[in-house]
Amino acid sequence: DTAVSQTPKYLVTQMGNDKSIKCEQNLGHDTMYWYKQDSKKFLKIMFSYNNKELIINETVPNRFSPKSPDKAHLNLHINSLELGDSAVYFCASSQDTINQPQHFGDGTRLSIL
Amino acid sequence: DQQVKQNSPSLSVQEGRISILNCDYTNSMFDYFLWYKKYPAEGPTFLISISSIKDKNEDGRFTVFLNKSAKHLSLHIVPSQPGDSAVYFCAASETSGANSKLTFGKGITLSVRP
Repeated sequence: DTAVSQTPKYLVTQMGNDKSIKCEQNLGHDTMYWYKQDSKKFLKIMFSYNNKELIINETVPNRFSPKSPDKAHLNLHINSLELGDSAVYFCASSQDTINQPQHFGDGTRLSIL
Repeated sequence: DQQVKQNSPSLSVQEGRISILNCDYTNSMFDYFLWYKKYPAEGPTFLISISSIKDKNEDGRFTVFLNKSAKHLSLHIVPSQPGDSAVYFCAASETSGANSKLTFGKGITLSVRP
Protein backbone atom coordinates (compact mmCIF):
# COMPACT_ATOMS: atom_id res chain seq x y z
CA ASP A 1 0.00 0.00 0.00
CA THR A 2 2.87 2.34 -0.89
CA ALA A 3 1.62 5.91 -1.33
CA VAL A 4 3.96 7.00 -4.16
CA SER A 5 5.63 4.19 -6.04
CA GLN A 6 8.09 4.48 -8.87
CA THR A 7 9.69 1.82 -11.04
CA PRO A 8 12.32 0.75 -11.62
CA LYS A 9 14.35 1.40 -8.49
CA TYR A 10 17.63 1.01 -10.39
CA LEU A 11 18.27 1.59 -14.07
CA VAL A 12 21.64 1.00 -15.72
CA THR A 13 21.87 1.67 -19.41
CA GLN A 14 24.11 2.79 -22.23
CA MET A 15 24.55 6.32 -23.46
CA GLY A 16 22.21 7.09 -26.35
CA ASN A 17 19.43 4.75 -25.23
CA ASP A 18 15.83 5.76 -24.51
CA LYS A 19 14.31 4.81 -21.15
CA SER A 20 11.17 5.42 -19.09
CA ILE A 21 10.49 5.70 -15.39
CA LYS A 22 6.96 5.14 -14.12
CA CYS A 23 5.28 6.75 -11.12
CA GLU A 24 1.93 6.07 -9.49
CA GLN A 25 0.30 7.58 -6.41
CA ASN A 26 -2.69 6.18 -4.53
CA LEU A 27 -3.25 9.21 -2.31
CA GLY A 28 -5.89 10.79 -4.49
CA HIS A 29 -3.66 13.82 -4.99
CA ASP A 30 -4.17 16.24 -7.88
CA THR A 31 -0.56 17.28 -8.39
CA MET A 32 2.51 15.23 -9.27
CA TYR A 33 6.17 16.15 -9.70
CA TRP A 34 9.48 14.90 -10.97
CA TYR A 35 12.69 15.91 -9.18
CA LYS A 36 16.32 15.21 -10.00
CA GLN A 37 18.94 14.75 -7.27
CA ASP A 38 22.34 15.22 -8.80
CA SER A 39 25.79 14.29 -7.53
CA LYS A 40 25.87 17.44 -5.38
CA LYS A 41 22.76 16.12 -3.59
CA PHE A 42 20.50 19.05 -4.52
CA LEU A 43 16.89 18.08 -5.18
CA LYS A 44 15.70 20.16 -8.13
CA ILE A 45 12.24 20.21 -9.61
CA MET A 46 11.91 19.24 -13.25
CA PHE A 47 8.18 19.07 -13.95
CA SER A 48 4.85 19.38 -12.24
CA TYR A 49 1.42 18.27 -13.42
CA ASN A 50 -1.93 19.23 -11.95
CA ASN A 51 -4.89 17.11 -13.04
CA LYS A 52 -2.90 15.86 -16.04
CA GLU A 53 -1.96 19.38 -17.10
CA LEU A 54 1.67 20.54 -17.20
CA ILE A 55 2.09 23.50 -14.84
CA ILE A 56 5.81 23.65 -14.10
CA ASN A 57 8.51 22.96 -16.65
CA GLU A 58 11.92 23.99 -15.40
CA THR A 59 14.87 24.39 -17.73
CA VAL A 60 15.07 20.75 -18.69
CA PRO A 61 16.36 19.45 -22.06
CA ASN A 62 13.53 18.44 -24.36
CA ARG A 63 14.97 14.92 -24.33
CA PHE A 64 12.95 14.62 -21.12
CA SER A 65 9.24 14.21 -21.76
CA PRO A 66 6.74 13.69 -18.95
CA LYS A 67 3.43 11.98 -19.65
CA SER A 68 0.41 11.97 -17.37
CA PRO A 69 -2.24 9.51 -18.61
CA ASP A 70 -4.37 10.24 -15.55
CA LYS A 71 -3.90 12.21 -12.35
CA ALA A 72 -2.59 9.13 -10.48
CA HIS A 73 0.27 8.55 -12.89
CA LEU A 74 3.19 10.65 -14.09
CA ASN A 75 5.78 8.88 -16.21
CA LEU A 76 9.11 10.25 -17.36
CA HIS A 77 10.58 9.31 -20.72
CA ILE A 78 14.16 10.20 -21.52
CA ASN A 79 15.54 10.07 -25.07
CA SER A 80 19.17 9.81 -26.12
CA LEU A 81 20.52 9.40 -22.61
CA GLU A 82 23.73 11.26 -21.77
CA LEU A 83 26.33 10.74 -19.06
CA GLY A 84 25.08 13.85 -17.26
CA ASP A 85 21.65 12.28 -16.85
CA SER A 86 23.07 9.96 -14.20
CA ALA A 87 21.23 10.89 -11.01
CA VAL A 88 18.46 9.82 -8.69
CA TYR A 89 15.01 10.78 -9.96
CA PHE A 90 12.22 11.24 -7.44
CA CYS A 91 8.52 11.35 -8.11
CA ALA A 92 6.27 13.19 -5.66
CA SER A 93 2.63 14.17 -5.24
CA SER A 94 0.61 16.70 -3.25
CA GLN A 95 -3.05 17.48 -2.69
CA ASP A 96 -2.82 20.64 -4.75
CA THR A 97 -0.23 23.12 -5.88
CA ILE A 98 -0.18 25.64 -3.07
CA ASN A 99 1.37 25.17 0.37
CA GLN A 100 0.89 21.45 0.60
CA PRO A 101 3.52 18.93 1.70
CA GLN A 102 4.76 16.75 -1.09
CA HIS A 103 4.97 12.99 -0.65
CA PHE A 104 7.92 11.33 -2.35
CA GLY A 105 8.61 7.96 -3.89
CA ASP A 106 11.80 6.09 -3.05
CA GLY A 107 13.63 7.26 -6.16
CA THR A 108 15.05 5.70 -9.31
CA ARG A 109 18.84 5.59 -9.49
CA LEU A 110 19.78 6.05 -13.15
CA SER A 111 23.34 5.17 -14.16
CA ILE A 112 24.58 5.83 -17.68
CA LEU A 113 27.52 3.78 -18.87
CA ASP B 1 22.59 30.38 -7.07
CA GLN B 2 21.45 28.62 -3.93
CA GLN B 3 18.31 30.21 -2.56
CA VAL B 4 18.10 27.75 0.33
CA LYS B 5 21.29 27.08 2.21
CA GLN B 6 22.13 24.46 4.78
CA ASN B 7 25.70 25.40 5.52
CA SER B 8 26.56 22.66 7.98
CA PRO B 9 26.86 19.34 6.16
CA SER B 10 26.63 17.25 9.30
CA LEU B 11 25.71 17.26 12.99
CA SER B 12 26.39 14.69 15.70
CA VAL B 13 24.50 14.71 19.02
CA GLN B 14 24.10 12.43 22.00
CA GLU B 15 20.85 10.53 22.44
CA GLY B 16 18.45 12.47 24.66
CA ARG B 17 19.99 15.84 23.83
CA ILE B 18 18.59 18.52 21.56
CA SER B 19 19.41 18.59 17.84
CA ILE B 20 19.29 22.00 16.17
CA LEU B 21 19.37 22.04 12.40
CA ASN B 22 19.72 25.39 10.69
CA CYS B 23 18.63 26.71 7.32
CA ASP B 24 19.01 30.12 5.65
CA TYR B 25 17.28 31.47 2.59
CA THR B 26 17.85 34.43 0.30
CA ASN B 27 14.54 34.83 -1.53
CA SER B 28 12.34 37.21 0.46
CA MET B 29 9.31 35.99 -1.48
CA PHE B 30 9.46 32.56 0.19
CA ASP B 31 6.52 32.23 2.55
CA TYR B 32 6.14 28.52 3.20
CA PHE B 33 8.85 26.33 4.64
CA LEU B 34 9.16 22.61 5.20
CA TRP B 35 11.55 20.09 6.68
CA TYR B 36 12.00 16.64 5.20
CA LYS B 37 13.85 13.64 6.57
CA LYS B 38 15.53 11.11 4.32
CA TYR B 39 16.94 7.66 5.04
CA PRO B 40 19.36 6.02 2.56
CA ALA B 41 17.68 4.47 -0.49
CA GLU B 42 14.32 6.03 0.44
CA GLY B 43 12.52 9.17 -0.62
CA PRO B 44 12.28 12.28 1.56
CA THR B 45 9.53 12.10 4.17
CA PHE B 46 7.65 15.23 5.21
CA LEU B 47 8.28 16.19 8.85
CA ILE B 48 6.89 19.60 9.62
CA SER B 49 6.07 22.89 7.91
CA ILE B 50 5.57 26.52 8.81
CA SER B 51 3.89 29.43 7.10
CA SER B 52 5.46 32.88 7.18
CA ILE B 53 2.56 34.19 9.24
CA LYS B 54 3.89 32.15 12.15
CA ASP B 55 7.23 32.07 13.89
CA LYS B 56 6.91 28.66 15.51
CA ASN B 57 5.24 25.35 14.81
CA GLU B 58 5.45 22.29 17.02
CA ASP B 59 4.67 18.64 16.41
CA GLY B 60 5.69 16.25 19.13
CA ARG B 61 9.48 16.21 19.45
CA PHE B 62 9.87 18.47 16.41
CA THR B 63 9.66 22.27 16.48
CA VAL B 64 10.40 24.63 13.62
CA PHE B 65 11.28 28.26 14.29
CA LEU B 66 11.14 30.96 11.64
CA ASN B 67 12.94 34.30 11.82
CA LYS B 68 11.76 36.21 8.76
CA SER B 69 13.92 39.27 9.32
CA ALA B 70 17.03 37.09 9.41
CA LYS B 71 15.73 34.79 6.65
CA HIS B 72 16.53 31.88 8.92
CA LEU B 73 14.72 28.83 10.14
CA SER B 74 15.71 26.02 12.40
CA LEU B 75 14.45 22.58 13.30
CA HIS B 76 14.71 21.48 16.92
CA ILE B 77 14.44 17.82 17.81
CA VAL B 78 14.17 17.05 21.49
CA PRO B 79 14.92 14.56 22.84
CA SER B 80 16.99 13.19 19.98
CA GLN B 81 16.77 9.46 19.33
CA PRO B 82 19.05 7.12 17.34
CA GLY B 83 16.22 6.61 14.84
CA ASP B 84 16.43 10.32 14.03
CA SER B 85 19.77 9.69 12.31
CA ALA B 86 19.11 10.68 8.69
CA VAL B 87 19.59 13.50 6.19
CA TYR B 88 17.36 16.51 6.85
CA PHE B 89 16.36 18.80 3.99
CA CYS B 90 15.01 22.29 4.38
CA ALA B 91 12.68 23.45 1.59
CA ALA B 92 10.89 26.69 0.77
CA SER B 93 8.27 27.96 -1.65
CA GLU B 94 6.56 31.19 -2.60
CA THR B 95 2.82 31.23 -3.10
CA SER B 96 2.44 34.47 -5.00
CA GLY B 97 2.10 32.59 -8.25
CA ALA B 98 -0.53 30.05 -9.16
CA ASN B 99 1.90 27.20 -8.93
CA SER B 100 4.34 27.03 -6.10
CA LYS B 101 7.42 24.86 -6.36
CA LEU B 102 9.74 23.71 -3.61
CA THR B 103 13.36 24.82 -3.53
CA PHE B 104 15.50 22.48 -1.46
CA GLY B 105 18.70 22.93 0.48
CA LYS B 106 21.54 20.47 0.19
CA GLY B 107 20.68 18.62 3.38
CA ILE B 108 22.30 18.04 6.77
CA THR B 109 23.32 14.58 7.94
CA LEU B 110 22.27 14.10 11.57
CA SER B 111 23.89 11.33 13.62
CA VAL B 112 22.43 10.58 17.03
CA ARG B 113 24.86 8.61 19.20
CA PRO B 114 23.37 6.06 21.62
